[in-house]
Amino acid sequence: DTGVSQDPRHKITKRGQNVTFRCDPISEHNRLYWYRQTLGQGPEFLTYFQNEAQLEKSRLLSDRFSAERPKGSFSTLEIQRTEQGDSAMYLCASSPRTSGTYEQYFGPGTRLTVT
Amino acid sequence: AQSVTQLDSHVSVSEGTPVLLRCNYSSSYSPSLFWYVQHPNKGLQLLLKYTSAATLVKGINGFEAEFKKSETSFHLTKPSAHMSDAAEYFCVVSDLYNNNDMRFGAGTRLTVKP
Repeated sequence: DTGVSQDPRHKITKRGQNVTFRCDPISEHNRLYWYRQTLGQGPEFLTYFQNEAQLEKSRLLSDRFSAERPKGSFSTLEIQRTEQGDSAMYLCASSPRTSGTYEQYFGPGTRLTVT
Repeated sequence: AQSVTQLDSHVSVSEGTPVLLRCNYSSSYSPSLFWYVQHPNKGLQLLLKYTSAATLVKGINGFEAEFKKSETSFHLTKPSAHMSDAAEYFCVVSDLYNNNDMRFGAGTRLTVKP
């Protein structure tokens, strides 16, 4: 399977703990996106990378959140001092750098539950 | 600013009958519009996209959508529903020249009755 993969698929953590999620994009895609999806809502943009550069961050991305893409391939999203409000599905997507409009290809997501 | 409104949170149809999922958009720029489908425990999958070419867009699995600028709508249709179409559907708008800012609607859950 050459699609976007995310690990883990599910994570249960206690409030105050740190968690880290990983996303592996489609190999030839140089843009990578992170979204958060809460129950009954559509995905909300968090941040995106072009290669290793983080080019945009949403105001939803508080200072407890950090994302990296050190070698322009896989990316990690870390949440420090988790809160119950962080419980959500975290989605990763990638897209190729081509001229014109291109779609984003999504991974299956990581479901985070903060108890 | 861009946004989409999906007019129905839940649509229920019988197998073999037509499907209509409604979406209205708001955009300050020339929009790109997408429909994605999300099956349980699966990633979002692109059904179709509009990018300023033909206003009637055909997608996968028999779905199509029509871009109507005068009505700021991009409704998704399918002539005959199949049980496997049951899923959550999201309408998405972005700036035609900046796809990094994609705004999702709240979603429409499609139920297909046998």
